[in-house]
Amino acid sequence: KQEVTQIPAALSVPEGENLVLNCSFTDSAIYNLQWFRQDPGKGLTSLLLIQSSQREQTSGRLNASLDKSSGRSTLYIAASQPGDSATYLCAVTSGTYKYIFGTGTRLKVLA
Amino acid sequence: DTGVSQDPRHKITKRGQNVTFRCDPISEHNRLYWYRQTLGQGPEFLTYFQNEAQLEKSRLLSDRFSAERPKGSFSTLEIQRTEQGDSAMYLCASSASGRNYEQYFGPGTRLTVT
Repeated sequence: KQEVTQIPAALSVPEGENLVLNCSFTDSAIYNLQWFRQDPGKGLTSLLLIQSSQREQTSGRLNASLDKSSGRSTLYIAASQPGDSATYLCAVTSGTYKYIFGTGTRLKVLA
Repeated sequence: DTGVSQDPRHKITKRGQNVTFRCDPISEHNRLYWYRQTLGQGPEFLTYFQNEAQLEKSRLLSDRFSAERPKGSFSTLEIQRTEQGDSAMYLCASSASGRNYEQYFGPGTRLTVT
């Protein structure tokens, strides 16, 4: 059974700092890994999707990497801003295509 | 707007009442998914459809829950005899077929059972 873990559960950093969020999964037979952002009380905003054949994806200040063999992904946020404050979720798909989510990392960027 | 839409966005109901939520997927997507998210947790899979066929149901989907997707277009999720533990955000997503196709999420329906 696939399990997804995100560390840390919460993170508070000063503005401008570069930071790394971690996601690990127990079954390496995945199709995709996707990172989402969720603001309080809101739905999910897709940030980056990495297909199983890819190693990383970049969008603006965000870079996500995938190491299937070790069951890990990292989301790198450069030059963090207060507007980056949110919960970041990672999810993997395998088998029947449903997403298995981690519990998220709550990020607070202090001005 | 051609994204996934959900209605209503918020629903407050009393315990024991029935509620129904609607999801309209992206028009060319034949797969549709329902997830439930409780406070402080990641979303959990409930069920998914390929066209009008319901292909998988989670054990989370008790007998009080039923989902339909008539004609393979919009979907409804009904909860009968609501309980306080049903309070959650209900998220819908859709995707095209294929293993590498991204799921696109709607804004969610926030259910509060009093």
